[in-house]
Amino acid sequence: GAGVSQSPRYKVAKRGQDVALRCDPISGHVSLFWYQQALGQGPEFLTYFQNEAQLDKSGLPSDRFFAERPEGSVSTLKIQRTQQEDSAVYLCASSLEYYNEQFFGPGTRLTVL
Amino acid sequence: DAKTTQPNSMESNEEEPVHLPCNHSTISGTDYIHWYRQLPSQGPEYVIHGLTSNVNNRMASLAIAEDRKSSTLILHRATLRDAAVYYCILRATSGTYKYIFGTGTRLKVLA
Repeated sequence: GAGVSQSPRYKVAKRGQDVALRCDPISGHVSLFWYQQALGQGPEFLTYFQNEAQLDKSGLPSDRFFAERPEGSVSTLKIQRTQQEDSAVYLCASSLEYYNEQFFGPGTRLTVL
Repeated sequence: DAKTTQPNSMESNEEEPVHLPCNHSTISGTDYIHWYRQLPSQGPEYVIHGLTSNVNNRMASLAIAEDRKSSTLILHRATLRDAAVYYCILRATSGTYKYIFGTGTRLKVLA
């Protein structure tokens, strides 16, 4: 079956623009994670969903970042008024449940000019 | 938050075993230790995880210290395809869903 997919793969935004990043998890996976990975660094946790419920958003760096998963499947990470420091790869991962193996998508590389 | 400490980089010859260490002295008693690896321009992929006793799977073995403050990922015969960044991962703190990746160990495999 298909793995986790993310779109777009690459996004260039001008500073101040809003962006929306999409994640399609593996069908049937209850858990969904978003991570931010700066160049040369390890992934950093942003937020966690269990079905449609956002149970942990402690990693979101500011109120410009917003994530949703309204039907417990596809998730969208939205960044408002992008800043240069938002430039990073945004990774989505899904798992059957929280403690199970996470399957990662290829990521969306966001560049803010 | 929990913290993991790994060497920045390691080298191994092809076909030889590799031992990748991780210190996690702040681990709580009930949290699993996870290992993932990330190849260039890809998302991380699962390698192995464990709680207290040593674990084996087709990819690797995980040796966990008796006090759980450190662990070692063992690749029994390194191949060129094993060249990647290896992350030892813990949950940040009990009661949260946040995982901490750290900076990882970049493994270079020499032909």
